Amino acid sequence: DTGVSQNPRHKITKRGQNVTFRCDPISEHNRLYWYRQTLGQGPEFLTYFQNEAQLEKSRLLSDRFSAERPKGSFSTLEIQRTEQGDSAMYLCASLTMAGRNYGYTFGSGTRLTVV
Amino acid sequence: TQLLEQSPQFLSIQEGENLTVYCNSSSVFSSLQWYRQEPGEGPVLLVTVVTGGEVKKLKRLTFQFGDARKDSSLHITAAQTGDTGLYLCAGTLNDYKLSFGAGTTVTVRA
Repeated sequence: DTGVSQNPRHKITKRGQNVTFRCDPISEHNRLYWYRQTLGQGPEFLTYFQNEAQLEKSRLLSDRFSAERPKGSFSTLEIQRTEQGDSAMYLCASLTMAGRNYGYTFGSGTRLTVV
Repeated sequence: TQLLEQSPQFLSIQEGENLTVYCNSSSVFSSLQWYRQEPGEGPVLLVTVVTGGEVKKLKRLTFQFGDARKDSSLHITAAQTGDTGLYLCAGTLNDYKLSFGAGTTVTVRA
């Protein structure tokens, strides 16, 4: 499989619960990005990794959010004490770079609904 | 705050007609990408434009990057029902982060 895989595809959780999403990027891509997309909007940047190092976090990523990428392979995004405002599609993307030509490959996303 | 403004927000046309989607910003981007997204799926990259004034063609789709690298357009000729979807433009920020527009929902009616 040469695509970006995200699990689960859908998650419904009660407010206050913790949730964790997983992303398996394309194996030869060393950069991995997380974006969040709410209804009627384009995706917004959350954070990114170069191999196992988390290099930048958006202001959107409150202290309830944590992301990891152990060993520079798959990544997880955890949300603690979920709130209704966390309901969104969480997208993972891996990046290939070849000079000025670069391309994102996005996963199918995890749709989170907080009730 | 979104750096890129897309217009129109919604577009509904008959199969066989042409359409144009616009993406505008007051910021200069080193490059700009266009994506198409189906419901419940992630965006799929259509094209990357990097040079001011650049025009790229992908079958019936024509992409243009403005001379000042602040704006772009996507033109579809003889639209087909399979062109239905959400079209997103995204400007490249530092470290390859993307700033997306809100998208244009295109519906092509049979």
